[in-house]
Amino acid sequence: DAGITQSPRHKVTETGTPVTLRCHQTENHRYMYWYRQDPGHGLRLIHYSYGVKDTDKGEVSDGYSVSRSKTEDFLLTLESATSSQTSVYFCAIRPSSGGSYNSPLHFGNGTRLTVT
Amino acid sequence: SQQGEEDPQALSIQEGENATMNCSYKTSINNLQWYRQNSGRGLVHLILIRSNEREKHSGRLRVTLDTSKKSSSLLITASRAADTASYFCATAPDDKLTFGTGTQLKVEL
Repeated sequence: DAGITQSPRHKVTETGTPVTLRCHQTENHRYMYWYRQDPGHGLRLIHYSYGVKDTDKGEVSDGYSVSRSKTEDFLLTLESATSSQTSVYFCAIRPSSGGSYNSPLHFGNGTRLTVT
Repeated sequence: SQQGEEDPQALSIQEGENATMNCSYKTSINNLQWYRQNSGRGLVHLILIRSNEREKHSGRLRVTLDTSKKSSSLLITASRAADTASYFCATAPDDKLTFGTGTQLKVEL
């Protein structure tokens, strides 16, 4: 699993509450990504980071924010959770020393979030 | 929106048979990647084929790429029950890897 830990692994929360998911890596890779996976949609990119305090939006960023204050941690926050954000969330890292953006990603095992 | 689309959506075969799944994409690419996802787990990278390559092998995996048709195929030979998983193609038309919706492969004993 390339030293990637996602926490929590499962969470149930109520609509309107804030939720923060954590991705922790042990290998000091620069690039980190948050994806969500839903039936019929595959994986869709929410946000990504290319260094400490450097983040950018992905395809489905509305309703989500991220922070990266340390190389090893990339946090995904749902400011006010909605039922449409019920999903499985995956963190990924790109173990590249700065070469092609297209190099393979390593994924964590996901966080299953249910918003009731 | 999905850059890649896999076909078929689901595939069921007997152990020992070959499994073929296809991926079509929309824009020009530098490379195309295939990933496997076992139930309840994250995606695992299988193989990467560059745009100037037509075929690539890795163990029981064979990947082809046809850039004129914007399509790729993944062949798994002599399938095993352990190959049961979802398979995704992925491309990066810009600097962000985009995944297809996947093919669910079931290999029965």
